[in-house]
Amino acid sequence: KAGVTQTPRYLIKTRGQQVTLSCSPISGHRSVSWYQQTPGQGLQFLFEYFSETQRNKGNFPGRFSGRQFSNSRSEMNVSTLELGDSALYLCASSRTGGFTDTQYFGPGTRLTVL
Amino acid sequence: AQSVAQPEDQVKVAEGNPLTVKCTYSVSGNPYLFWYVQYPNRGLQFLLKYITGDNLVKGSYGFEAEFNKSQTSFHLKKPSALVSDSALYFCAVREINNTGNQFYFGTGTSLTVIP
Repeated sequence: KAGVTQTPRYLIKTRGQQVTLSCSPISGHRSVSWYQQTPGQGLQFLFEYFSETQRNKGNFPGRFSGRQFSNSRSEMNVSTLELGDSALYLCASSRTGGFTDTQYFGPGTRLTVL
Repeated sequence: AQSVAQPEDQVKVAEGNPLTVKCTYSVSGNPYLFWYVQYPNRGLQFLLKYITGDNLVKGSYGFEAEFNKSQTSFHLKKPSALVSDSALYFCAVREINNTGNQFYFGTGTSLTVIP
């Protein structure tokens, strides 16, 4: 079974631009979560989507948004990029997002904002 | 409040020696605890989880973890370390928040296995 895939793997943008990242979950998984990983802040939860609905949200500004499609694929968008948005963005999928569910992570998208 | 803590930023151990990576948790209700490993420029790989049952959980690559309710700990262990075990290890807990449930990750522990 194929794992979680994320595209692109690397991205360079300039301040003020916007960016869209894509995540394809493991087949049969309906929950997709997004995380931001930085050396200073560690792993921080952005949001979770389940059945095309945002079910859970972390403490990030409205510039960070996402969506999920009917095939469970998810996209994350960051508008008006800031230097501090440079990070590794990780996507994780699980069957239902329930308490005992294991999340499986993709390789991440490395975003650099210049 | 910090739901999960990894008190050691770095752990160094000689190849062949046992290793322990520490994790403590603080949650209300039953804890659902996970360990992940991250190699450079890679995503997180699932190692093992504790949901209920036996306090000793066995996982991938020879790793195991011991759930200790009285000490609120979930330390990761391996009897004999390999150089290839050198990586960043994250402890995580699923906890209820005001909109559902989410993973809370520790700050990570960098493990170095010395040949």
